[in-house]
Amino acid sequence: KAGVTQTPRYLIKTRGQQVTLSCSPISGHRSVSWYQQTPGQGLQFLFEYFSETQRNKGNFPGRFSGRQFSNSRSEMNVSTLELGDSALYLCASSSLGTDYGYTFGSGTRLTVV
Amino acid sequence: SQQGEEDPQALSIQEGENATMNCSYKTSINNLQWYRQNSGRGLVHLILIRSNEREKHSGRLRVTLDTSKKSSSLLITASRAADTASYFCADGDGRASKIIFGSGTRLSIRP
Repeated sequence: KAGVTQTPRYLIKTRGQQVTLSCSPISGHRSVSWYQQTPGQGLQFLFEYFSETQRNKGNFPGRFSGRQFSNSRSEMNVSTLELGDSALYLCASSSLGTDYGYTFGSGTRLTVV
Repeated sequence: SQQGEEDPQALSIQEGENATMNCSYKTSINNLQWYRQNSGRGLVHLILIRSNEREKHSGRLRVTLDTSKKSSSLLITASRAADTASYFCADGDGRASKIIFGSGTRLSIRP
C-alpha cells in the first residue's frame, strides 16, 4: 500500500511569508502527527490530529497551525515565517495512535531566507 | 522538550561488529519505540516494546527495556554498511496521543 506522502519535498520561502505543507496518511490511518526537525532542537512534536480533531499540541507559537480533513489528509500552516523556521517537517500517520508504530513521510525541507 | 536521551551520541564500528545504543527516559511510558533515519529522510519504525515486556527481537535487532531504570537498549548484530543512519528512541504514552523523541545516536559502519 502507498506510504505517507508529503508535498512539497522542498520549499524556499522569504521571511514574513506563509507556507502550507500537506500530508496524505496511509489509507485507513486516522491519526496524523507533525514534527519539526532541526540540528539544534532535534525532533520536536508540533501537533496530532485524529478524525479531524486536534488531540495534542506541542510548545510552538500560534504561527504554527494545522488541520485535518475528513479523508484524514492533513495540512500544516506556518504564518509570518522566521529564519528559525527552517527545518525538515515530518508527518507521521498511525492507525490507532501511540500504542503502535508510526509511519513517517519523507518530509518537507523548508528553507526560509 | 525531549524526553528520551540516547547514548552515545555517535558510534563508529567495523562492518560485522555489533552496535549497542542506549536510551533513557524520564516519565512513565506505555511503550518504547525505536526508529532509524537515513540522512535527511523520514524515520522508519524498527521495533516497539511495551512497558510489560523486557526483551524483544526482530531480525538482527534486539531491544531490551528496564522500566525500573527507565532505560532501553537497541542492539544491532552483524552490522552492515546499510545500517549507517541515525537511531532514535521514542516513548509512547497512549493518553498523551504523541510520542516524544530523543536526540538520537549517529551510527557509522566502516567497511
